[in-house]
Amino acid sequence: EPEVTQTPSHQVTQMGQEVILRCVPISNHLYFYWYRQILGQKVEFLVSFYNNEISEKSEIFDDQFSVERPDGSNFTLKIRSTKLEDSAMYFCASGPEGTDTQYFGPGTRLTVL
Amino acid sequence: QKEVEQNSGPLSVPEGAIASLNCTYSDRGSQSFFWYRQYSGKSPELIMSIYSNGDKEDGRFTAQLNKASQYVSLLIRDSQPSDSATYLCAARFYSGGSNYKLTFGKGTLLTVNP
Repeated sequence: EPEVTQTPSHQVTQMGQEVILRCVPISNHLYFYWYRQILGQKVEFLVSFYNNEISEKSEIFDDQFSVERPDGSNFTLKIRSTKLEDSAMYFCASGPEGTDTQYFGPGTRLTVL
Repeated sequence: QKEVEQNSGPLSVPEGAIASLNCTYSDRGSQSFFWYRQYSGKSPELIMSIYSNGDKEDGRFTAQLNKASQYVSLLIRDSQPSDSATYLCAARFYSGGSNYKLTFGKGTLLTVNP
């Protein structure tokens, strides 16, 4: 069964550094999302992406965040200058056209020191 | 502010019993509702979606939706220790166009005791 994959599984970085989190959505899906979950808290929406552009972003998704679909398979989340409070699990999700069902990847645990 | 509320638990049931998980949501315009299961340290795994009032069954799982009461529930029959996890309720609130972002509750921790 097709799955969303994410790399790396764990990323440790110093405050102020840039990180890129990578996702490979399910191949025939057209909607892509990033969510994050701070330890012990809710899963929070960051951004949705459709037709090669951002369709919605939350107030969390400020100027330090960006997303890109650099080729036909990858979907990336870049955090330009990481802060301590960016430490969280970051989940990529994808969904097929015409439905609002979303399938989550295994996540990347980001630790900012 | 569109919210999804869940009792954080823990909810503890014996093996073989029915586990009942509940969720309320704030926006009457909500269109779609989802139950995800999340094991500790893992990602949310979709269990069921429900869109219309009433019950929807899938194996041991039954989702129930009551839009008038803004209430969604998940029943797990014949609970197994492997069902022990946090159950996340999510709603899609209408925000125009083709946006399908989900709003999640905090989740209810379920423990099934052998």
